[in-house]
Amino acid sequence: EAGVTQFPSHSVIEKGQTVTLRCDPISGHDNLYWYRRVMGKEIKFLLHFVKESKQDESGMPNNRFLAERTGGTYSTLKVQPAELEDSGVYFCASSQVGPGNNEQFFGPGTRLTVL
Amino acid sequence: GDSVTQMEGPVTLSEEAFLTINCTYTATGYPSLFWYVQYPGEGLQLLLKATKADDKGSNKGFEATYRKETTSFHLEKGSVQVSDSAVYFCALTDGSGNTGKLIFGQGTTLQVKP
Repeated sequence: EAGVTQFPSHSVIEKGQTVTLRCDPISGHDNLYWYRRVMGKEIKFLLHFVKESKQDESGMPNNRFLAERTGGTYSTLKVQPAELEDSGVYFCASSQVGPGNNEQFFGPGTRLTVL
Repeated sequence: GDSVTQMEGPVTLSEEAFLTINCTYTATGYPSLFWYVQYPGEGLQLLLKATKADDKGSNKGFEATYRKETTSFHLEKGSVQVSDSAVYFCALTDGSGNTGKLIFGQGTTLQVKP
């Protein structure tokens, strides 16, 4: 069974540009989460999808970030326009069924560098 | 809000040394507690978990006990190997809601030297 995949693995862009990150969850996992780790600090929750619906987007930093999950399969996270403080590693995770103690399986992350 | 605090790293040990990585938490309700590990170049993997007070999670020689009285979930291993070199994250599920989102500590880098 394939794990969670993320693309690209690395992205280097200039301030003001747009970047789109993609996450493909494990097939059949309705829950999809986005997290971010900035500059060696803690990993912070960004948002949670259940199928195609946003269940919780309380962690999204500002309106420059837009996440979508059309059709309830893969998800994209767009940053437009990117700022220096957006640099970090963006992780995606997926899990089965509903919330609670279901194990979240993580992708390898996308390292974003904004110059 | 809920939070997790881990001991700062990096932690450098010789092979076969005893490992302790401290983790304390603040949470409402009854969270579940987790340790995740990130090996170089890979994503996070669940190492172990505990879902209620006094539960002990264990895997690959690592152990951690859910201590509600001290709000702690310290990670231990009796004899580390070079292959244990990684970043270790303590985490809990949000006890105030039901989204299942994880709240992480800042991570502790472990380097084991032969």
